[in-house]
Amino acid sequence: AQSVTQLGSHVSVSEGALVLLRCNYSSSVPPYLFWYVQYPNQGLQLLLKYTSAATLVKGINGFEAEFKKSETSFHLTKPSAHMSDAAEYFCAVSPFTDKLIFGTGTRLQVFP
Amino acid sequence: SQTIHQWPATLVQPVGSPLSLECTVEGTSNPNLYWYRQAAGRGLQLLFYSVGIGQISSEVPQNLSASRPQDRQFILSSKKLLLSDSGFYLCAWSVLAGTGTEAFFGQGTRLTVV
Repeated sequence: AQSVTQLGSHVSVSEGALVLLRCNYSSSVPPYLFWYVQYPNQGLQLLLKYTSAATLVKGINGFEAEFKKSETSFHLTKPSAHMSDAAEYFCAVSPFTDKLIFGTGTRLQVFP
Repeated sequence: SQTIHQWPATLVQPVGSPLSLECTVEGTSNPNLYWYRQAAGRGLQLLFYSVGIGQISSEVPQNLSASRPQDRQFILSSKKLLLSDSGFYLCAWSVLAGTGTEAFFGQGTRLTVV
């Protein structure tokens, strides 16, 4: 079965520092991969998605992610963290079926 | 444009009481519909999904059930709530699943069973 693993349930960075949130996928074929963000008591909002068109995907709010088949990874990065980036981030995989499978999430804290 | 409505936003129910959460989608036809539950530290657990009216797939055995009486309506129910049913419930929709199309989420329902 296809799945995603998010390393680190909590990540803390200082404002202006690099943000790196890790996601590794398990799939026998290149999957579709997504990153979502969730602010407290709200639904999920799509940040970006990989659909095999380009390995470096740019999303909203300055985030980007790189698909690396050799490492089965799809890590999310942002060069400079902002206080408003504090939220929970979810990696997800769509395994060519009717389902979207999520990781356990990473809570990002940004300190001034 | 498409919108998804989920209600209520918060709900406090006693153990043993019934549950009905409703989700409706506007602006699209024949969407795939999903119910997820979010518990602290456990990410999003897919509970049910539906590819059409009356077609429900259950992902995990539990105290809940789902129904899709109309194309754009998805209902999550329980006859008798358990304490373990507490959590944040999210409805979502997508089209052409399996082609890289993302899911769109409602604002969620915070259910507390007391």
